Order: sequence, then structure tokens, then C-alpha cells
Amino acid sequence: EAGVAQSPRYKIIEKRQSVAFWCNPISGHATLYWYQQILGQGPKLLIQFQNNGVVDDSQLPKDRFSAERLKGVDSTLKIQPAKLEDSAVYLCASSFEYREAYEQYFGPGTRLTVT
Amino acid sequence: AQSVSQHNHHVILSEAASLELGCNYSYGGTVNLFWYVQYPGQHLQLLLKYFSGDPLVKGIKGFEAEFIKSKFSFNLRKPSVQWSDTAEYFCAVNAAGRRALTFGSGTRLQVQP
Repeated sequence: EAGVAQSPRYKIIEKRQSVAFWCNPISGHATLYWYQQILGQGPKLLIQFQNNGVVDDSQLPKDRFSAERLKGVDSTLKIQPAKLEDSAVYLCASSFEYREAYEQYFGPGTRLTVT
Repeated sequence: AQSVSQHNHHVILSEAASLELGCNYSYGGTVNLFWYVQYPGQHLQLLLKYFSGDPLVKGIKGFEAEFIKSKFSFNLRKPSVQWSDTAEYFCAVNAAGRRALTFGSGTRLQVQP
């Protein structure tokens, strides 16, 4: 089966600019996650969708980050305006709702550099 | 809140050496436990997982992990590492019924030929 797709793979922007990342999960996966991975750290959950509804966005900095999952398939994560500390890899993952322990499949990530 | 600690940040081994990577978590309830691996230039992929039952779980490529509930630990082991095991290894946990993962900070394993 095709994996989780993400684009772009790399992005360099200046602080205060805006940026958007796109994710296409594995077909049939109802749950979609966005994680932020800062260099030297493990991934940290930003937001979790179940179909097109938000399940958990408690760690999303809502003053600058937003995410949507229209029609319960693709998702977009936006940062506006970006700060230097947003430099990280943004990972998208998906899981099949009813599979045991909700095994997550990860995309290749988008590496964001804010200068 | 859950947290995961990985004690070794960078491990260097020679081929054929044995491997054990430590992972401890803090959470009072029932958990599911995972080890993910990220090979150079590749995305995160699942190595093995534990939900319930036999605390010794076997994963891909000869890896295994043991869940010791009394120690809140889920250490990863491999009897004989290969150069191709060079990667970053992440321990992760989710509370039963909750799907999002809490990750440790990762251990970078370098295997020298």
C-alpha cells in the first residue's frame, strides 16, 4: 500500500512569514496526526484528527498554528507568523481506527528552517 | 501526563556486539508500548509493540523488548548488531484508549564495521 505522503520535503522561510504543509494519509486511515520534532528531541504531538474532527489539540500553539482536515482525508498544517523556534521537522502520521493499538504510519516529514 | 525517558543518547558499538537500549515511562494506568526506528534518510517505522500478554515481544530484524511493569521499563535488545542497524531509536507510549504517542528523546546507535 502507498505510504503517508507529505509536501514539501524542505522549506526555508524568514521569521514572521507564513508556511503551510500538506499531508495525504494512507487510504482508509481515519485518524491523522501532526507531530513536531525539534532537533535532538522525539516527536511531539501537535494535533490529532478523527475523520475531519479534532480529537486532541492541547499542545498546538493556537495563536500561530492552525490545521484542518477537510473531507476527512488530506490535511494542512499552517504556521502564521513563524518564529525561529518553529524550526523543526513536521511529521504526519495516520492510523486505521480499528486496528489493534492504533499502529501509526509516518510520512517522511517536512523540514522547516526559519531564519 | 505521560513521559518517556531514554537513558542513552548516543551509543557506539562494533558489529556482533549485543545491544540494550533503556526506556522508562511514567504513567499510572495501562499503557501500550512501542519502539520506532529511523534509518538515515528514511521515515519513522515501527520496530515492535506491546499491548498485553507475554511481556517479551519480538519485532523485525531480530529485535526484542521486555516489558517490566514493576520498573515501568520497556528495554530494547538485540543479541548481535549489524552495521545496517545504524539508526535512531525511539521509545513511545500511549495510554490504553488514547491513540497519540508520547515519545522519548531518542537514542542514536552507531554500529562500526
